[in-house]
Amino acid sequence: RKEVEQDPGPFNVPEGATVAFNCTYSNSASQSFFWYRQDCRKEPKLLMSVYSSGNEDGRFTAQLNRASQYISLLIRDSKLSDSATYLCAVNKHAGNMLTFGGGTRLMVKP
Amino acid sequence: DAGITQSPRHKVTETGTPVTLRCHQTENHRYMYWYRQDPGHGLRLIHYSYGVKDTDKGEVSDGYSVSRSKTEDFLLTLESATSSQTSVYFCAISTTGTLDNEKLFFGSGTQLSVL
Repeated sequence: RKEVEQDPGPFNVPEGATVAFNCTYSNSASQSFFWYRQDCRKEPKLLMSVYSSGNEDGRFTAQLNRASQYISLLIRDSKLSDSATYLCAVNKHAGNMLTFGGGTRLMVKP
Repeated sequence: DAGITQSPRHKVTETGTPVTLRCHQTENHRYMYWYRQDPGHGLRLIHYSYGVKDTDKGEVSDGYSVSRSKTEDFLLTLESATSSQTSVYFCAISTTGTLDNEKLFFGSGTQLSVL
């Protein structure tokens, strides 16, 4: 089993739809969780950190479920510009390197 | 923009030749990283550095070496390139000053093809 797993997709959704991605991790000692966005042929960029209490940034909501060991990213009112690959990143334990998931590709259609 | 520059942006080389990729930062960050990204594997850490002349191995370090003689430069060397090292290489820096990789910023990447 991979340490960090994501459904590769692609998720094809119409504009305005709500879409959610999950990312599962294997190490229960993991402390830091992040979502990155990567456009085609570009570098990954930090989208948001994921906190235990959940956090929201505009149309984006990130949540952590420690009991089931996954994080989620919810995108409301999808825009064409949201089309990208979304990478989750998790550390093994405090002070350790990040491990990235393989990414989930989102395609928002008109 | 975290002031990270990678060079070259593209490189084609032959099996068995040495290759050096350069990562340059302008903001004096302590932690620097080299990742490779491949379809089906995502981003994998090759080596990282936590200061001048202080480096350590990551998940996929075999066949790679690094050097950091100045804070601003982190070099990745493939001593004898193989086709399995064809990949996109990203340099990254952490702005938090800790090893928890929060707010990791990536360079634009180097597409390396080994023929």
